[in-house]
Amino acid sequence: DIQMTQSPSTLSASVGDRVSITCRASQSISTWLAWYQQKPGQAPNLLIYKASSLASGVSSRFSGSGSGTEFTLTISSLQPDDFATYYCQQYSTYPLTFGGGTKVEIK
Amino acid sequence: QVQLVQSGAEVKKPGASVKVSCKASGYSFTTHGINWVRQAPGQGLEWMGWISTYNGDTNYPQKFQGRVTMTTDTSTNTAYMELRSLRSDDTAVYYCASGYLYGARLLSFWGQGTLVTVSS
Repeated sequence: DIQMTQSPSTLSASVGDRVSITCRASQSISTWLAWYQQKPGQAPNLLIYKASSLASGVSSRFSGSGSGTEFTLTISSLQPDDFATYYCQQYSTYPLTFGGGTKVEIK
Repeated sequence: QVQLVQSGAEVKKPGASVKVSCKASGYSFTTHGINWVRQAPGQGLEWMGWISTYNGDTNYPQKFQGRVTMTTDTSTNTAYMELRSLRSDDTAVYYCASGYLYGARLLSFWGQGTLVTVSS
């Protein structure tokens, strides 16, 4: 199975900050990488697919980059609605696997 | 609009089985299939498997093989996930998710989740 490792596990930031979250795969997954946002008590929401493509309806302050084994999710200017937990997911091969999550907290 | 509506919360005893339903609407049910994902309290996301809503093919990770069965009823646009031999560590919120729009392996639309509590 492909292991996905996210860092940091927790990130404290202020409104307006630019923040980045890293996701590493245990083997190359090309650009078969997605990012999800999950708020407490809600289902996750797809933000980014194919490493850098924005899902429909998602704000352009979210962007993704990377290929192979290292990927980054960047929020250009953190808004109050962005405080949540973010997960990466590889879909290169089955079984689908997720990173452990990064909680973005208010500083 | 695309909606996935899941069945209500369940409380089960260890050793029992649970069957969660997921009714889809707003798109062609037979495209891209349905994935099931669970989330234990305070924990991350765990993929439990995928079923083709076109022909019923399934893909389960080794961890759940022999203990999970996913089915669909195309007459009612409903997917089902049955988990057997429940243990306390199966306590979790169970989600269905459709790959509609972006493909079978992407979780584009999610149900609201079903809390399954396993307790004696």
